[in-house]
Amino acid sequence: QQPVQSPQAVILREGEDAVINCSSSKALYSVHWYRQKHGEAPVFLMILLKGGEQKGHDKISASFNEKKQQSSLYLTASQLSYSGTYFCGTERYGGSQGNLIFGKGTKLSVKP
Amino acid sequence: EAGVAQSPRYKIIEKRQSVAFWCNPISGHATLYWYQQILGQGPKLLIQFQNNGVVDDSQLPKDRFSAERLKGVDSTLKIQPAKLEDSAVYLCASSYPRTSGGGTSSYNEQFFGPGTRLTVL
Repeated sequence: QQPVQSPQAVILREGEDAVINCSSSKALYSVHWYRQKHGEAPVFLMILLKGGEQKGHDKISASFNEKKQQSSLYLTASQLSYSGTYFCGTERYGGSQGNLIFGKGTKLSVKP
Repeated sequence: EAGVAQSPRYKIIEKRQSVAFWCNPISGHATLYWYQQILGQGPKLLIQFQNNGVVDDSQLPKDRFSAERLKGVDSTLKIQPAKLEDSAVYLCASSYPRTSGGGTSSYNEQFFGPGTRLTVL
């Protein structure tokens, strides 16, 4: 039931782009994205609710393909501050509201 | 607006001892979550409260873990007795409950506290 994130890790140079994927075998109501820096709490980025819906947060955007039960997080023109571990949290239909199952995370390192 | 508060930040105990963690959510957030995050893993939900009622505790090891939110505000998570595998960061999060009818107010993004790092020796 745990969503699968890919890649597990990625190293970028400042200004480069990256895509992080999150796939589930279960029908999803929503997908949440969080970023966690080392030793800190996860910080909310965005929620995707509908099939094909895209939301944006500065230069970070995401999409949710309801048919494939897959969400992708797009980071464009990466900055040093984007470094951290990105987690997707999936909320299933029929589960309790807000009950998220998190993936194992994708570690993003942005180098100067 | 004050964030989610947790204490203590760090705790070191020996196996078979007991330990308690405290969480004070953001004011007005009716929903409170306790997560366990093992090093290198994503957070795992232990228990979810709506006001002072339990919504989901299916992943809480009830033989040793307990949690309460008596007045619907702050909450305590207890482990008794602790095992080596309980070493982890315990995160508390809170959110508004999702409202019916959709709209941006229906999003229930979760706000996390700084966590308590537990080491069991």
